[in-house]
Formats: sequence, C-alpha cells, structure tokens
Amino acid sequence: QKEVEQNSGPLSVPEGAIASLNCTYSDRGSQSFFWYRQYSGKSPELIMFIYSNGDKEDGRFTAQLNKASQYVSLLIRDSQPSDSATYLCAVKNSGGYQKVTFGIGTKLQVIP
Amino acid sequence: DTGVSQNPRHKITKRGQNVTFRCDPISEHNRLYWYRQTLGQGPEFLTYFQNEAQLEKSRLLSDRFSAERPKGSFSTLEIQRTEQGDSAMYLCASGSEISGQYFGPGTRLTVT
Repeated sequence: QKEVEQNSGPLSVPEGAIASLNCTYSDRGSQSFFWYRQYSGKSPELIMFIYSNGDKEDGRFTAQLNKASQYVSLLIRDSQPSDSATYLCAVKNSGGYQKVTFGIGTKLQVIP
Repeated sequence: DTGVSQNPRHKITKRGQNVTFRCDPISEHNRLYWYRQTLGQGPEFLTYFQNEAQLEKSRLLSDRFSAERPKGSFSTLEIQRTEQGDSAMYLCASGSEISGQYFGPGTRLTVT
C-alpha cells in the first residue's frame, strides 16, 4: 500500500464547474496535510494546508479532512482554464522528524 | 526575491562525473528538504535538515548522494559517479514548524 494515494487522472471538468480531487493516506498518526499545484515544467506551489478534521476554505479552494477515514480532498469552485495543472497531495508523517510524503498527483484539465 | 533559489537550473553531465547543486532557502526557515522528481511522479523525499543537522535520509538514497547544510543556511547536494538513472529534477524546499514547504525552481539534471 502506497503511503499517499491519488488517482493520476486526467480529471476533466468544464469551465465554471467544481473540481474534486481526492487523496488517501496510510499513516493514521499523520497530523498535517498539504495540497500543491504544479504546472508542467515548474516546481510545486503550496496552495492549501489543513490540520483539523472538517473543511478549510481559501477563496475558490476548500480542503476537507477526515482523519477517521484517512481521507483528504480539495475542491476547486468555479474552475478556470488556468487551474489546469497537476495537484499533489502531501502528508506530514507522524514520528520525530516529520517527513513529508507526496502522492503521484492528479492531473486536472479545465475545458473552456 | 525572497523565495527559495537553486543553482544551477540545468546541468548536463557525463556518466561517472560528480555534480553539486546548491539551495538557498527562505531566510527565516530552519527546515530544508531535498526531493527528486521524475516525469509523472510526485516528489520523492531524499533528505531533511533542521538548522545544520541532517535529521533524516531516505533509505532508498544511494551512498553516492550526500548533502550538507553548513551553518544552517544554504545547502548543497552532491551526486558522485553519476548514472543515467540519476537524471531527474532535483527540488529543494524550505519551511518552518508551522508552515508547509516552499519549493525552489529546481535543478534539472541530465546524465548522458
């Protein structure tokens, strides 16, 4: 079982729709969860982080965390073509040094 | 620009040569991470520093790889006797206890 699992996609949504990106993780003791956006040929860019169960909203982005189900998601409202990128889920593992493990990333395509 | 910087941005080397990359983190961040990313994969953890101490190193990392962070400021990653399988994007990120990781632009290594 991979430590952080994501569907590689591509996930295609029409412009203006809600894009839903999902991630599961195996380390039940994980405490911190991050979403990064990565455009082709560029480095990852931090867009959201969440520590507590529930929802966290920032502009058009909402991160959702369910620790009991070991599940974290990212919703993008009013999707724009500029949102087309790969979205990486990252989990800070439990343990002393808190290594961060990334998923493979989900490629999102927003169709105009 | 106060973000993470990496040099060089591109490096082409012949198999068997040694290469060294440099990372300058965001000045107020005490944590520094090195990752390797290949096409279609998420960033793969290599090693982690807190201040000048190297606290964790991936078990998958060959002994040909070494990293330093003298004085807890910039960091270098050296690869000795490069192999074609070392071709990848090498990413540096910095962060603090309460933040996510902020990535530099990366160094793209091509081993011929």
